[in-house]
Amino acid sequence: NSKVIQTPRYLVKGQGQKAKMRCIPEKGHPVVFWYQQNKNNEFKFLINFQNQEVLQQIDMTEKRFSAECPSNSPCSLEIQSSEAGDSALYLCASSLGTGGRGTEVFFGKGTRLTVV
Amino acid sequence: AQSVTQPDARVTVSEGASLQLRCKYSYFGTPYLFWYVQYPRQGLQLLLKYYPGDPVVQGVNGFEAEFSKSNSSFHLRKASVHWSDWAVYFCAVSLGPVYAQGLTFGLGTRVSVFP
Repeated sequence: NSKVIQTPRYLVKGQGQKAKMRCIPEKGHPVVFWYQQNKNNEFKFLINFQNQEVLQQIDMTEKRFSAECPSNSPCSLEIQSSEAGDSALYLCASSLGTGGRGTEVFFGKGTRLTVV
Repeated sequence: AQSVTQPDARVTVSEGASLQLRCKYSYFGTPYLFWYVQYPRQGLQLLLKYYPGDPVVQGVNGFEAEFSKSNSSFHLRKASVHWSDWAVYFCAVSLGPVYAQGLTFGLGTRVSVFP
């Protein structure tokens, strides 16, 4: 069973409000991913980190979304100004990040964001 | 760019019957392939993974999958379905070291199990 912990499980925000969610990756996993899963089960990769450094991020993340993975603190994903289209399940995942069999990715239970 | 297609959006099966879920990928090369399951109000749980090697891989809870390079497929099978298998199943592909590329998912197959 995955040991990736996400909080809160549910988040309700008004349009224009900030929305922040947190993730504690599995112990010893230096690589962290954030994905957005919409109601049509489309997954969108948002950003990933190795230790505290950003590896890749999509354009959407660069504009309204911000994320960080500080050392000795939970990772976080924040939407600066929520829009209705941001309503989705946000999944955090972690991995050892090394090649071959170390590439398994483990997911948390997600934060379901509803923007009203 | 790589892509994953799960042709069946919904599958209904009787408890105790066999199950096959189809997955087709598009990539010029040998990918790393995964099947995940998502139970209601849960995250994704890894069922099994394929790395270059034996084309038939065994997973948890009696699931197995078979990789076919010629058909660009990675179909999931279970010999006897249990009511607890009621969930959405996702096929995913990675081009290699996951930390660099992450995963590309299909749209999932919703499995309903009836007595």
